[in-house]
Amino acid sequence: AQSVTQLGSHVSVSEGALVLLRCNYSSSVPPYLFWYVQYPNQGLQLLLKYTSAATLVKGINGFEAEFKKSETSFHLTKPSAHMSDAAEYFCALDSSASKIIFGSGTRLSIRP
Amino acid sequence: DVKVTQSSRYLVKRTGEKVFLECVQDMDHENMFWYRQDPGLGLRLIYFSYDVKMKEKGDIPEGYSVSREKKERFSLILESASTNQTSMYLCASSLWLGQGASTEAFFGQGTRLTVV
Repeated sequence: AQSVTQLGSHVSVSEGALVLLRCNYSSSVPPYLFWYVQYPNQGLQLLLKYTSAATLVKGINGFEAEFKKSETSFHLTKPSAHMSDAAEYFCALDSSASKIIFGSGTRLSIRP
Repeated sequence: DVKVTQSSRYLVKRTGEKVFLECVQDMDHENMFWYRQDPGLGLRLIYFSYDVKMKEKGDIPEGYSVSREKKERFSLILESASTNQTSMYLCASSLWLGQGASTEAFFGQGTRLTVV
């Protein structure tokens, strides 16, 4: 069965610090993987996507993620956090049947 | 820009009412989805549709049905609303690129439904 696990429901970092949000997946076929961001009272917006072209994927707002098949991971990083990065982040997997499966989400807080 | 529009941002309904949540997309996408979002549980798929009049159950279809009579419109129906269906409901659409290919889903703003 395909699944997505996000480690840590809440992550808090200082402004200017490294952001690391963890995502592990389980898939019987080569996966397509996504990170989405949700600001309060909004829908989800795509940050970046992995579609097998390159293992390091760059997204919007300075975020990037690295696909590591050996670790079945797709962690999201940003070198320097900004106050505007405070939001909820979802890792997602596209199964072969076009169903998109989401993790439980990680709320990112930024300390001034 | 792809636009996915949900008919209401906030709804309050009474227990036992039949509730319709409407979603329209303007990019001719084949796939459409309904999710519910609850704290700590992420997004859970209720139903999805890959073509007009076609639908498949997601992970939590109980208590819900859907209708897709036109390609651009996907409706979620709560046959008899209950308090445990109080939640945020998110509609999404995506393009079908063929077997083995994938593209991202585009989301509406969400409908926060409260059943009292």
